[in-house]
Amino acid sequence: DTEVTQTPKHLVMGMTNKKSLKCEQHMGHRAMYWYKQKAKKPPELMFVYSYEKLSINESVPSRFSPECPNSSLLNLHLHALQPEDSALYLCASSTRTGGSYEQYFGPGTRLTVT
Amino acid sequence: GESVGLHLPTLSVQEGDNSIINCAYSNSASDYFIWYKQESGKGPQFIIDIRSNMDKRQGQRVTVLLNKTVKHLSLQIAATQPGDSAVYFCAENGVDSSYKLIFGSGTRLLVRP
Repeated sequence: DTEVTQTPKHLVMGMTNKKSLKCEQHMGHRAMYWYKQKAKKPPELMFVYSYEKLSINESVPSRFSPECPNSSLLNLHLHALQPEDSALYLCASSTRTGGSYEQYFGPGTRLTVT
Repeated sequence: GESVGLHLPTLSVQEGDNSIINCAYSNSASDYFIWYKQESGKGPQFIIDIRSNMDKRQGQRVTVLLNKTVKHLSLQIAATQPGDSAVYFCAENGVDSSYKLIFGSGTRLLVRP
């Protein structure tokens, strides 16, 4: 299984809502990532988890809260978002062995904040 | 600072022709480079990678060339097909963290039938 899955595919939420994005991989990867991608732009790194511990937070606003319940799951909790947070949110994972930096991406969650 | 850039934001090619997508990088300390393909509505998909101890690497219909002297990376696609239409991103490993990939701005490849 070389797949990263993400749910939901689409999400529309109001600025006062609380929602969560979910990501799952069963490749035994010990690093997992959240990216934000705006239209016609490259992915921007938000968070990195390594061995289920938060390793990198790229100065992301606290209205985004990541969680890594176990080595296969990664969540992104959303609260009090702004319309400018509308974007494609991508999850990725990577192995930390063999010197490979390849990251495997999921299909993304298209988020619209109204 | 670190940066990875592309010379052409959009490339239009005739089906069957070869495509060349270029990328410039600024950090001479980068030792790993990767190309991703992103189709509309999908996540980036790995195409090919190359380490800095190599100049060329070939895959199925794709070749990546690395010129460390001028800090230039290119992706060549042979016999371009309609299914190759997508946005292509190059990326390099971040030297301050092995977890980071520094992405270029992307090139859209359009294949004319």
